[in-house]
Amino acid sequence: EDKVVQSPLSLVVHEGDTVTLNCSYEVTNFRSLLWYKQEKKAPTFLFMLTSSGIEKKSGRLSSILDKKELSSILNITATQTGDSAIYLCAHTNAGKSTFGDGTTLTVKP
Amino acid sequence: NAGVTQTPKFQVLKTGQSMTLQCAQDMNHNSMYWYRQDPGMGLRLIYYSASEGTTDKGEVPNGYNVSRLNKREFSLRLESAAPSQTSVYFCASRQLPERGAYNEQFFGPGTRLTVL
Repeated sequence: EDKVVQSPLSLVVHEGDTVTLNCSYEVTNFRSLLWYKQEKKAPTFLFMLTSSGIEKKSGRLSSILDKKELSSILNITATQTGDSAIYLCAHTNAGKSTFGDGTTLTVKP
Repeated sequence: NAGVTQTPKFQVLKTGQSMTLQCAQDMNHNSMYWYRQDPGMGLRLIYYSASEGTTDKGEVPNGYNVSRLNKREFSLRLESAAPSQTSVYFCASRQLPERGAYNEQFFGPGTRLTVL
């Protein structure tokens, strides 16, 4: 059974801080790892990672996959209150996706 | 494009009642999914449909049935609701992945279901 574990489960920081969220996976046939941001409603897509060592970047957010360590990290620099959300990591293959429980990030002014 | 739409947005049921959650997508995606999300937990897959005419169980299928009515629509039915099914339900869709293609899922806004 595929498994995705995220840490920490929750995190409280102040505006301007840099945070690193972790995602580890145990899957039978790795295909791709995705990161989502979930605010009040549905998750919205952030990154998809398929190759080890290649950083994906979007503004202050970046993510990288380490296939040797079976893990991925999501970095957010210069955090803002608008970054407060649940960040979900998911492994996906042709048929289905397995999600972690998410990291709840709270950014205080 | 409306993307993925779900109805209803909210629903309160009594134990033992039945209901169907509706989901539709207008992106011509092949695959559709139903998830539930409980407080403090991530998304858990209930059922999915890799393509029109097929459905498969996910992690937590017990107590649910699904119908892939056509390419656009994928409904989730609770035959006899139980308090343990109180949750937020998300429908999602994506294009069948080809070699090297994007695997992003598009989510609906969710249905908040309470079973008393």
